[in-house]
Amino acid sequence: NAGVMQNPRHLVRRRGQEARLRCSPMKGHSHVYWYRQLPEEGLKFMVYLQKENIIDESGMPKERFSAEFPKEGPSILRIQQVVRGDSAAYFCASSQGISGDEQYFGPGTRLTVT
Amino acid sequence: AQSVTQPDIHITVSEGASLELRCNYSYGATPYLFWYVQSPGQGLQLLLKYFSGDTLVQGIKGFEAEFKRSQSSFNLRKPSVHWSDAAEYFCAVSASRGSARQLTFGSGTQLTVLP
Repeated sequence: NAGVMQNPRHLVRRRGQEARLRCSPMKGHSHVYWYRQLPEEGLKFMVYLQKENIIDESGMPKERFSAEFPKEGPSILRIQQVVRGDSAAYFCASSQGISGDEQYFGPGTRLTVT
Repeated sequence: AQSVTQPDIHITVSEGASLELRCNYSYGATPYLFWYVQSPGQGLQLLLKYFSGDTLVQGIKGFEAEFKRSQSSFNLRKPSVHWSDAAEYFCAVSASRGSARQLTFGSGTQLTVLP
């Protein structure tokens, strides 16, 4: 059973470009979470999605960031007009969403903004 | 809102020595607590979790953690460290039993193991 998959693993963007990060949850998981890890820091929650719904986006910056989890296909975290402060590792996790289960993390996408 | 403090940024131990990584949390109700390990360039792997019941929790790779409500702590321990344990360790808290809530992470403890 494949784990959580994220691509690309490394992404370089110039300031002002768009970054698209993809996350395919584990088979059978319908809940996806995005976290951001800045250098020398722990992970910070960004957004929690179920299929076609954003459940909790309390950790998302108000501008330039958006996320979706369509009925078909991976979850996408989109960052428009990237700035140097967006450079970080972005982790996706997935779960079945039932009581007592855990979140399984992907390997992350390292975004570098030049 | 919940928060997690890991007071030790970096710990160095010799292989075969015992290990304790500290974690303190702040949360008004019963917390749900987790320890994750992150190897360089990798995602996070769950070591163990505490939801309720026995306050001493056993995890994978020989790790255990003890929940102490009076001290708001959930320290991670291992009796004998192996070189492969070198990694970064994160303590996390959730406001609910299920995973359907955000995890709040500490800032991590980097473990170095000397031969």
